[in-house]
Amino acid sequence: SQQGEEDPQALSIQEGENATMNCSYKTSINNLQWYRQNSGRGLVHLILIRSNEREKHSGRLRVTLDTSKKSSSLLITASRAADTASYFCATDPHDYKLSFGAGTTVTVRA
Amino acid sequence: NAGVTQTPKFQVLKTGQSMTLQCAQDMNHEYMSWYRQDPGMGLRLIHYSVGAGITDQGEVPNGYNVSRSTTEDFPLRLLSAAPSQTSVYFCASSAGLNYGYTFGSGTRLTVV
Repeated sequence: SQQGEEDPQALSIQEGENATMNCSYKTSINNLQWYRQNSGRGLVHLILIRSNEREKHSGRLRVTLDTSKKSSSLLITASRAADTASYFCATDPHDYKLSFGAGTTVTVRA
Repeated sequence: NAGVTQTPKFQVLKTGQSMTLQCAQDMNHEYMSWYRQDPGMGLRLIHYSVGAGITDQGEVPNGYNVSRSTTEDFPLRLLSAAPSQTSVYFCASSAGLNYGYTFGSGTRLTVV
């Protein structure tokens, strides 16, 4: 069964706005990862946050992790048309079995 | 540096046929995995390997076999294709725990 669940399922924003999506999971994790998938392509690793970290930044991406609530959020600032994609959270529960959620589809309107 | 290479990109099989999906990586990664992606269900783990000669089952292993004779290659075999195996298959590799995965571009398989 899938460990992570993203919310919302779909998000439509204007170029230049910020996009926030959330991920909830069920069991203890070693780390949580976020991936992007453009239509018809493979997944691209964006950022990894370890269970002992609370916040991490990479360019226009900001990820938070709250292990007490078993949740994470991904913020994309100043969105661009090229950010249109599906975004997946994936949890690593200490056993190499990376488990993905169903994803959030983000559409950035020009 | 090619990363993770999957072949073929597209395949149509008849029910009952067998085939092998190829996956190769040139990054000397120990961890490799196979996932299938179905609409609205995200990615589900089929099999994974933590090194040459070591494989284990994931969430949906039935109907699939794997082997890992070298660090570079991790083929996925469909034993007797069924329409339920129509999906997009992704191979991925990682340097280890607390490293992200590099994904291949996928194989779109249709079983008729």
